[in-house]
Amino acid sequence: QKEVEQDPGPLSVPEGAIVSLNCTYSNSAFQYFMWYRQYSRKGPELLMYTYSSGNKEDGRFTAQVDKSSKYISLFIRDSQPSDSATYLCAMSAYGNTPLVFGKGTRLSVIA
Amino acid sequence: EPEVTQTPSHQVTQMGQEVILRCVPISNHLYFYWYRQILGQKVEFLVSFYNNEISEKSEIFDDQFSVERPDGSNFTLKIRSTKLEDSAMYFCASSPTDRAYEQYFGPGTRLTVT
Repeated sequence: QKEVEQDPGPLSVPEGAIVSLNCTYSNSAFQYFMWYRQYSRKGPELLMYTYSSGNKEDGRFTAQVDKSSKYISLFIRDSQPSDSATYLCAMSAYGNTPLVFGKGTRLSVIA
Repeated sequence: EPEVTQTPSHQVTQMGQEVILRCVPISNHLYFYWYRQILGQKVEFLVSFYNNEISEKSEIFDDQFSVERPDGSNFTLKIRSTKLEDSAMYFCASSPTDRAYEQYFGPGTRLTVT
């Protein structure tokens, strides 16, 4: 079983839609959960992080972690064409340990 | 806003040649990392560096790879004898001591080995 699994998409939604992006993982030691956005041929840009279980909101973005199910989600409200990118989940066991990434979900928001 | 910078943006080299990829981490960060991403694949961890020494490395980071912090600002990745399969995007990342989980990535160096 792969350590972090993420549906690669592509996912295409109309502007204004609510987007749900998800990852599952197998390593119960993971405690830090990140979402990165990556534009084509650019570096990953940190969007949000969550420690342990729970929800975190930042503007139009909400991150959720369910450690009992080993499942994390990123919701994007009122999606915009500028949100079109690849979204990567990443996680680590401790604060300064390497990140383990999902493969990324390619999102297109159509105007 | 401070950011991680990397040079060059694109490096083409012949198989068997040595390459050095350079990174300038964010100035008050003390944890440094190298990751790579082969086209169409996941971002993979290579090595982490703290307090002037390697703190962790992956199976990919074999004897052909080395890292160095030659001065107070630069962080380099050297590949001694490149192979075709080393072709990838190489990302440097850094994180602050008080929020070590926040890893900030540079724009990457695209390495093409011919």
